Amino acid sequence: QKEVEQNSGPLSVPEGAIASLNCTYSDRGSQSFFWYRQYSGKSPELIMSIYSNGDKEDGRFTAQLNKASQYVSLLIRDSQPSDSATYLCAVNGGGGADGLTFGKGTHLIIQP
Amino acid sequence: DTAVSQTPKYLVTQMGNDKSIKCEQNLGHDTMYWYKQDSKKFLKIMFSYNNKELIINETVPNRFSPKSPDKAHLNLHINSLELGDSAVYFCASAPNSGANVLTFGAGSRLTVL
Repeated sequence: QKEVEQNSGPLSVPEGAIASLNCTYSDRGSQSFFWYRQYSGKSPELIMSIYSNGDKEDGRFTAQLNKASQYVSLLIRDSQPSDSATYLCAVNGGGGADGLTFGKGTHLIIQP
Repeated sequence: DTAVSQTPKYLVTQMGNDKSIKCEQNLGHDTMYWYKQDSKKFLKIMFSYNNKELIINETVPNRFSPKSPDKAHLNLHINSLELGDSAVYFCASAPNSGANVLTFGAGSRLTVL
């Protein structure tokens, strides 16, 4: 049984600061890792994917992966009020039809 | 041009009824999914469908049945609705690349009274 764990929050961060979101996963064979953002009442949207150990940067977002520790994180620099949302960590084992296993999400609040 | 479209967006019905939710994707993807998001916002996979191969999450009651007339459509039929079926149901699709970058539909909020 694959499990993905996240702190549900809420995580409150002042505007302009760095928001740090963390995720751990149980399946050591997992190959692909994703961060989705979900605004209230909306569908999840992909913001980052990462497949190998290390950091991956895209604009204000940086995803970090450590397979040995089974740990994935997302950093959001220069946080904006529009970043306030629930962030879902998702993990895939590699088989295309298996879909993604999601964590329960971290509710992030950026305080103006 | 909506990539993954679901209908209806809202559905209110009585216990014991049978209902369907339709999903269509115009992305040319080979794999489609149904996810359920409960009141605590936990998003859980129900089914995946790829080249006529159906993979079912073993925790899904057999009252739920997916129907796929072609690879662009994956409908969800629910028999004998129960209060606990109230949730938001998301359809999603992915290219058959194994990387599983999902594109979600807007969701269908089902309320069972």
